[in-house]
Amino acid sequence: DTEVTQTPKHLVMGMTNKKSLKCEQHMGHRAMYWYKQKAKKPPELMFVYSYEKLSINESVPSRFSPECPNSSLLNLHLHALQPEDSALYLCASSQADWTPNTGELFFGEGSRLTVL
Amino acid sequence: SQKIEQNSEALNIQEGKTATLTCNYTNYSPAYLQWYRQDPGRGPVFLLLIRENEKEKRKERLKVTFDTTLKQSLFHITASQPADSATYLCAPRGYNKLIFGAGTRLAVHP
Repeated sequence: DTEVTQTPKHLVMGMTNKKSLKCEQHMGHRAMYWYKQKAKKPPELMFVYSYEKLSINESVPSRFSPECPNSSLLNLHLHALQPEDSALYLCASSQADWTPNTGELFFGEGSRLTVL
Repeated sequence: SQKIEQNSEALNIQEGKTATLTCNYTNYSPAYLQWYRQDPGRGPVFLLLIRENEKEKRKERLKVTFDTTLKQSLFHITASQPADSATYLCAPRGYNKLIFGAGTRLAVHP
């Protein structure tokens, strides 16, 4: 199984709502990532979890709250978002986050978020 | 700051020709560089990884070169097909993460 599964595929929320994005992988990978991608822009790293511990937070606003309940699951909790947060949110995993031999990222299909 | 440049304009080529995409980077020395393919509304898909001590890497119709002196990687698709039409992202490895370029959109016409 070489899939990263993200749910939901589409999410529309108001600025006062609380919602969560979910990501799951069963490849035994120990690093998981959240990226944000706007149209015609590159994926921008938000968070990295390595061995279930947060290892990188790219100065992301606190209205985005990541959680890694176990090595297979990654959540992104959303609260009080702004319209400019509308984007494609991509989850990815890799065997580890620190060696050249295991640097390949496996991406999910993304969750398209629209904030009204 | 670390910067990656890929041709922002779309590359249009005829089926059967070789497509060559360029990735230039500045202000760092990546240990390796990856190339991904991304279709509209989908997540990127890994294609190739090339390390700093490798000059060239091949996989089927794909070839990647890595020139650490020029700080440049070239990505070639030989015998291109309309199914190769997509955006191709380069991603050099920074200090502790991959940094993605904005990508070059390739359109292969029959």
